[in-house]
Parts: sequence; structure tokens; C-alpha cells
Amino acid sequence: QKEVEQDPGPLSVPEGAIVSLNCTYSNSAFQYFMWYRQYSRKGPELLMYTYSSGNKEDGRFTAQVDKSSKYISLFIRDSQPSDSATYLCAKGEVAANAGGTSYGKLTFGQGTILTVHP
Amino acid sequence: NAGVTQTPKFRILKIGQSMTLQCAQDMNHNYMYWYRQDPGMGLKLIYYSVGAGITDKGEVPNGYNVSRSTTEDFPLRLELAAPSQTSVYFCASRPGLARYNEQFFGPGTRLTVL
Repeated sequence: QKEVEQDPGPLSVPEGAIVSLNCTYSNSAFQYFMWYRQYSRKGPELLMYTYSSGNKEDGRFTAQVDKSSKYISLFIRDSQPSDSATYLCAKGEVAANAGGTSYGKLTFGQGTILTVHP
Repeated sequence: NAGVTQTPKFRILKIGQSMTLQCAQDMNHNYMYWYRQDPGMGLKLIYYSVGAGITDKGEVPNGYNVSRSTTEDFPLRLELAAPSQTSVYFCASRPGLARYNEQFFGPGTRLTVL
């Protein structure tokens, strides 16, 4: 089982629609969750992060974490053509290498391609 | 700040050739990472570094090498290019473990091995 599984999509929605992007994760070690947005031929950029269960809102975006069911979601309200991108969920944790040195580790889902058409 | 920069943007290699992908950051970040991204596969960690002189393997290190002689630079070396290394390569950095682990990504290098 992959550590982070993401609904692969692709998704195509009309402008103004509500978009739901979803991921599940395994391994319940202490961790936090992030959503990255990646425009075509660009590097990923952080959209939102959250440590705990519940909702976190930022403008039209809401990140939701349910630790009991190991489910993370990103909702986009009033979607715009400029939201067209690949969305990557990620689980973050502090890991240690074989020598015991700690480092910040991100495990990414496969990504969902979203297209919002006018 | 320029952030994380990567060169070249694109490269085509023949099987067996070697090359170095360059990565630099001007944010004085301790941690640096190399990922590869294949279609539908997300980002896979190749190597990472926790500071100058300290590097370690990630999930998919075979066929690659890294070095970190300065805080700013983290080059990735492909010694004998193979078609399986056709991918988009991203370098990332982060300041330290105290923060929530936002990693800042460069624009990527698109590599094709023929």
C-alpha cells in the first residue's frame, strides 16, 4: 500500500463549480499535511498546510483532515480558470536516516490534474 | 531573493552520457532535496542533504550521485544515463526542522535520455 494515495483524476469542471480533491494515507506517525499546486511546466508551490484534524480555510480554499479515517481533502469554492493546475497532497514528518540524523520528509500523492473551463 | 534556481531547463542525453544538474538557493537553507517527477507518479525523493558536507539517499537513488560542498549548491550527477532516467527533476530547500516543513521548489529540469 502506498503511503499517500490520491484520486488521480483528471478533473474538468465549469467555472464557479466547487471542486473536491482527495487523498488517503497510511502510517499514523506524527505528521502534518500539505497541499501543493503545480502549474504546467513549473515547480510545486505550497498552497496550504495543516497539523490537526478539522478544517482550515484560506480564501476560496479549505483543507480538511480526518485523522480517524486517514483522509485529507482540499475544497475549492467558486473555481476559476486560473485554478487549472496539478494539485499534490503530501504527508510531512520528521524522519531519521540510518545514522540517526533527522530530516524533514515529504511523501507525495500522485497528483490530480484540474481543468476549470470558462 | 532568487529562491531556488536550476540549470539547465531542458536537456537531451544519449544513453551512457553523463551530466550534472545544477541547483542553487540563496535563502541560507540547511536542507536541500532532489526529486524526480514522472507522469502520474507524484514526486519521488532521490537524495537529500541536511547541511554542507552531509548527504543521504532517498527513495530512488540508483544511478545518481550528489555532493554538497556549500550551503548554497546541491548538484545532482547522472553518470551513465539510461532511458529510465527520463523525467522532470526538481530541487527543493527548506530552512530547518523547527518550521512546518514547507519546501521551496525550483522550476525543474526536463531530461530526456534517448
